[in-house]
Amino acid sequence: DTGVSQDPRHKITKRGQNVTFRCDPISEHNRLYWYRQTLGQGPEFLTYFQNEAQLEKSRLLSDRFSAERPKGSFSTLEIQRTEQGDSAMYLCASSRDRDYSPLHFGNGTRLTVT
Amino acid sequence: DAKTTQPNSMESNEEEPVHLPCNHSTISGTDYIHWYRQLPSQGPEYVIHGLTSNVNNRMASLAIAEDRKSSTLILHRATLRDAAVYYCILKGQGAQKLVFGQGTRLTINP
Repeated sequence: DTGVSQDPRHKITKRGQNVTFRCDPISEHNRLYWYRQTLGQGPEFLTYFQNEAQLEKSRLLSDRFSAERPKGSFSTLEIQRTEQGDSAMYLCASSRDRDYSPLHFGNGTRLTVT
Repeated sequence: DAKTTQPNSMESNEEEPVHLPCNHSTISGTDYIHWYRQLPSQGPEYVIHGLTSNVNNRMASLAIAEDRKSSTLILHRATLRDAAVYYCILKGQGAQKLVFGQGTRLTINP
């Protein structure tokens, strides 16, 4: 169990640019989640995959955001035309395919939009 | 998702027990009570979960009230490494995601 890996750890970008983050879940985990966290707040759910299928998306996930998990393994989260309000920590988590399996989180990608 | 209420912050001393409360008066019969914690500059980590009975693991104990409207996370002997934000979360049967609140920021004094 090498844990959930996220890349990059930090990203600074100018407003209007596109950014892409990668998440590598624990290998035998079928479920993958993306969350966003701003300073002083708890993580907010963005989206959830069961294998390669994206089963739920939050209203927070505007049309500038897209997430994929093409082969049911790693996932990417892309933000197009970034805005300053997108500055946050983006967290990825994975879990086994059982309702009460705990989520294992990565240490996140911190995005700063200038 | 049913709502939980936690104090914004708590403070304790090293090597003393810590009792972190959580109120969940609207809990339904199939909601599990989950606790996660988030250390500084890290993602949340799972601590413990339970349904009705008290639960123990190597990290903590979870005491659940008989009416299930509240629960308490117990750290038996706090260390400086236990300083974190602790989240109490209800997760219903069939629910796929965790919904985090603000949590309790725990400070441990040396």
